[in-house]
Amino acid sequence: QVQLVQSGAEVKKPGASVKVSCKASGYTFTSYYMHWVRQAPGQGLEWMGIINPSGGTTSYAQKFQDRVTMTRDTSTSTVHMELSSLRSEDTAVYYCARDLGSSWSEFDPWGQGTLVTVSS
Amino acid sequence: QSALTQPASVSGSPGQSITISCTGTSSDIGGYNYVSWYQQHPGKAPKLMIYDVSNRPSGVSNRFSGSKSGNTASLTISGLQAEDEAHYYCSSYTTSTTLVFGGGTKLTVL
Repeated sequence: QVQLVQSGAEVKKPGASVKVSCKASGYTFTSYYMHWVRQAPGQGLEWMGIINPSGGTTSYAQKFQDRVTMTRDTSTSTVHMELSSLRSEDTAVYYCARDLGSSWSEFDPWGQGTLVTVSS
Repeated sequence: QSALTQPASVSGSPGQSITISCTGTSSDIGGYNYVSWYQQHPGKAPKLMIYDVSNRPSGVSNRFSGSKSGNTASLTISGLQAEDEAHYYCSSYTTSTTLVFGGGTKLTVL
């Protein structure tokens, strides 16, 4: 079955970087775009950006433009999201989600989420 | 890009119908038929319930329906059941080639 499995929880100090992975299985990895969405504790969902696993092209939310890098490894069907210059406000659960359509409106499925805690 | 506006909470009794609104602008909801709704239970990942305003993915109950009028989209759940209690988020594609989410609505089944 289609599955997105993310890497485990991370604890980082302010100013550090974190890299979260999302391994896809059960479908042709390069056929569907992947998005990253985060959710701070007790808060709503926030879109971070999108990557095309086929060509590797990306588009980021302006808020994260200077600090986020999304990459993919087609040999392992994995996408990565690296966030740098971490601050306490970046403490959140980070999700990857496959985009089934071409209108950014069919996120299915989602990964299980990766908790990133930023604390000194 | 500002978040879409949703009511913080709605409630209903089992068997009743409820509607959750999601208000944006002409740059997002009003400009595209690319509105989605996601259900999220505590500690779980979101689940797609409605896409492209009113389409239901395979496996989602037909008790869930979506619509749009102008800059406001709506999610209606009919025949409320206990398992429908969750947070619901709307989302929309925007003219800035980004995606924006609503702040979320907590649905309580009384």
